[in-house]
Amino acid sequence: GDSVTQTKGPVTLSEGTSLTVNCSYETKQYPTLFWYVQYPGEGPQLLFKVPKANEKGSNRGFEATYDKGTTSFHLQKASVQESDSAVYYCVLGDRDTNAYKVIFGKGTHLHVLP
Amino acid sequence: EAAVTQSPRNKVAVTGGKVTLSCNQTNNHNNMYWYRQDTGHGLRLIHYSYGAGSTEKGDIPDGYKASRPSQENFSLILELATPSQTSVYFCASGASGRNTEVFFGKGTRLTVV
Repeated sequence: GDSVTQTKGPVTLSEGTSLTVNCSYETKQYPTLFWYVQYPGEGPQLLFKVPKANEKGSNRGFEATYDKGTTSFHLQKASVQESDSAVYYCVLGDRDTNAYKVIFGKGTHLHVLP
Repeated sequence: EAAVTQSPRNKVAVTGGKVTLSCNQTNNHNNMYWYRQDTGHGLRLIHYSYGAGSTEKGDIPDGYKASRPSQENFSLILELATPSQTSVYFCASGASGRNTEVFFGKGTRLTVV
């Protein structure tokens, strides 16, 4: 079945350094790929989505390219801030019979030190 | 702004007891989902629904039942709660269509003692 594998955390960085969170996926279909972010005490919320292969998504300085050839969707940010500390989820969305199934990776906990 | 409300926010239950977690959405979304979140496992799908009257098994359905009596409401039922079901549970809703995002509630922290 469909699956998502991402960098195992926690990841600890100093403010101003660059971030890469690796994400790879498996599916036989043509999914939409998402990155979600979860702050303490809240549910996950959408960071951005990319519905088509070979396109890039971005938001708040984060970006990722949907690479169908390597089945990857790595999250990158050039310069992280302390406020970026959160859990990041790579997510695959695809049709499953009658519903739209959403598959989450295990999440990567990011700690940014001031 | 899409709204998903979960109740209760915190619950302590006894082993062997029945627990019902409720979720209400005002987004008029067809699809609703129940996940549990545990350290080291991320979010795992328990049950989902594509409309009133429907429920489908997710990846870890054992020990859980779901009920979707209306478009707005989706419940998760633990008939015989066990300590292994201690977790944080999230409900989410989403529109039909492959490109749509899902919207999450704030979660319910369940402790089974």
